[in-house]
Amino acid sequence: DAKTTQPPSMDCAEGRAANLPCNHSTISGNEYVYWYRQIHSQGPQYIIHGLKNNETNEMASLIITEDRKSSTLILPHATLRDTAVYYCIVRVEHGSSNTGKLIFGQGTTLQVKP
Amino acid sequence: DSGVTQTPKHLITATGQRVTLRCSPRSGDLSVYWYQQSLDQGLQFLIQYYNGEERAKGNILERFSAQQFPDLHSELNLSSLELGDSALYFCASSVAINSNYGYTFGSGTRLTVV
Repeated sequence: DAKTTQPPSMDCAEGRAANLPCNHSTISGNEYVYWYRQIHSQGPQYIIHGLKNNETNEMASLIITEDRKSSTLILPHATLRDTAVYYCIVRVEHGSSNTGKLIFGQGTTLQVKP
Repeated sequence: DSGVTQTPKHLITATGQRVTLRCSPRSGDLSVYWYQQSLDQGLQFLIQYYNGEERAKGNILERFSAQQFPDLHSELNLSSLELGDSALYFCASSVAINSNYGYTFGSGTRLTVV
């Protein structure tokens, strides 16, 4: 699985959009980009994933560049409860021989401030 | 409640002892993953089981072992415990070997070795 690079920390004002970048320059054509977050020692929580098109769900939007070498997770209106460590992970697609394990990096600690 | 149940939530034990952590996956999920999270190592993948069979191994020590039972619950056995084994241990489950929608984590077991 390709490696990812994320800034160690970011701040965001409450109510504003939080844009979390992720670099995955060695991503392969069959690798998806996944985002998880972990709120203070709780179990990680799935947020969103995508292959090459932009994706949106009730939690966030995922913007993937055309060359797929980087992506941005967008929390449109950050709240204090969004303060967490956000992990960007790349993984081969469903149906391959891959076992499905996720390899977590150090992630980005997002601090949402009032 | 994520649907993944881990017991116990907290465990304090002495060095040299053996403990068993238990995980009940979400209803219908066949795959179980174990992760260790210590302060200095982040989330480390330990092992994966699918429908009773071991499917992938990560950085799991020889003192650690796991199994998945016919009712799909899983147990992680940690023996000859050392101070450095103190960590959060998370279990996650997914419906397939390589679920395209990620997987669901439990709330973890906090192990303290004294």
